[in-house]
Amino acid sequence: QSALTQPASVSGSPGQSITISCTGTSSDVGGYNSVSWYQQHPGKAPKLMIYEVTNRPSGVPDRFSASKSGNTASLTISGLQAEDEADYYCSSYTTNSTFVVFGGGTKLTVL
Amino acid sequence: EVQLVESGGGLVQPGGSLRLSCAASGFTFSSYWMSWVRQAPGKGLEWVANIKQDGSEKYYVDSVKGRFTFSRDNAKNSLYLQMNSLRAEDMAVYYCAVLGSYSDFHHWGQGTLVTVSS
Repeated sequence: QSALTQPASVSGSPGQSITISCTGTSSDVGGYNSVSWYQQHPGKAPKLMIYEVTNRPSGVPDRFSASKSGNTASLTISGLQAEDEADYYCSSYTTNSTFVVFGGGTKLTVL
Repeated sequence: EVQLVESGGGLVQPGGSLRLSCAASGFTFSSYWMSWVRQAPGKGLEWVANIKQDGSEKYYVDSVKGRFTFSRDNAKNSLYLQMNSLRAEDMAVYYCAVLGSYSDFHHWGQGTLVTVSS
């Protein structure tokens, strides 16, 4: 069982917007501005999409945005495109001994 | 362009050892904390270990403490993960990654598969 809780799957049609949630506790998501989001296509390495809750690395489209409220972080993808179909993982710094915890991942299907 | 290339994965029997390497290029390697993150087949991501820029501080997930040793050679822009007493639950793709300011992994290698089986 993963430390952070994500929905197993979400779906949307091209052009639509979707939101993926990531729920933790005050020891991780709620306690620090250190939530990250990763995109992983099948057979590929993860790619950082968001760091420190809301920041996008250079090269990541502004269709990807994120926020946090209390112990829950959210990733929103607007204007869905076929290439957005992938697995998405959230992560957070944690005061537990594991340093960083990940969510179980969310499979995004673009219909 | 940042490049991280892992090597050294393969098939090993339970209780055996393996040494993973990660060759880095395209950035000032000695200025960054580095990490290993693993992913069991069909499963999610799991942080394994961190190492400070000069190698003086190392941190491990509890499940590998005492069995895995993380090291780096800044002269060779390389990381190493010595894995001993391997268990079935260590079977995964192992990624090396550049650690950002907090707990974010900014760049990842392509990964190397470790299979633990008799």
